[in-house]
Amino acid sequence: GENVEQHPSTLSVQEGDSAVIKCTYSDSASNYFPWYKQELGKRPQLIIDIRSNVGEKKDQRIAVTLNKTAKHFSLHITETQPEDSAVYFCAAIILTGGGNKLTFGTGTQLKVEL
Amino acid sequence: DAGITQSPRHKVTETGTPVTLRCHQTENHRYMYWYRQDPGHGLRLIHYSYGVKDTDKGEVSDGYSVSRSKTEDFLLTLESATSSQTSVYFCAISRMDATSGNTIYFGEGSWLTVV
Repeated sequence: GENVEQHPSTLSVQEGDSAVIKCTYSDSASNYFPWYKQELGKRPQLIIDIRSNVGEKKDQRIAVTLNKTAKHFSLHITETQPEDSAVYFCAAIILTGGGNKLTFGTGTQLKVEL
Repeated sequence: DAGITQSPRHKVTETGTPVTLRCHQTENHRYMYWYRQDPGHGLRLIHYSYGVKDTDKGEVSDGYSVSRSKTEDFLLTLESATSSQTSVYFCAISRMDATSGNTIYFGEGSWLTVV
């Protein structure tokens, strides 16, 4: 099955700096890569996703890049703010017409310091 | 929130007792999932369902069973709870979005402590 590795496990940045979280996957057939943000005591929430037919996707301060050849994808957060502090999870899946059994990375604790 | 409700939200139980967690959805989604979340392990799939009475195992299914007798409810049962099953349990559904395709949305979670 799919295996997803995520780095780093913790990341501390100064407010206004950029943060980058990286994930690698094992199954070259995976074609959908979502990112989830989880605040303390809350549910994981989808913040951005990318399909394998594109190399980059942006949504305001958040962007995701995908390198299919190297089988890795990254989350980029620019101009970080204290409210960006949370745990971020990457995931990978072979997207089918039916249900998706996402395989998740182990998470990155992002702390944005004032 | 994709119309997902989990119950109970918090429970403390004793080792060896049976426990059932309920996931209820109001949007008629076909696919439902149970994940557990533990420090250092991220989210791991326990069981999933692709329709009424249609279920299959995930990567950490030992010690768990599920049932889905109607579309809106997906039950997770720990037949005899153990301390290793202390965890946060998230129900999820798969919903078709216009731009992303099938996207997974999570319920609010159920905190289970086995003492």
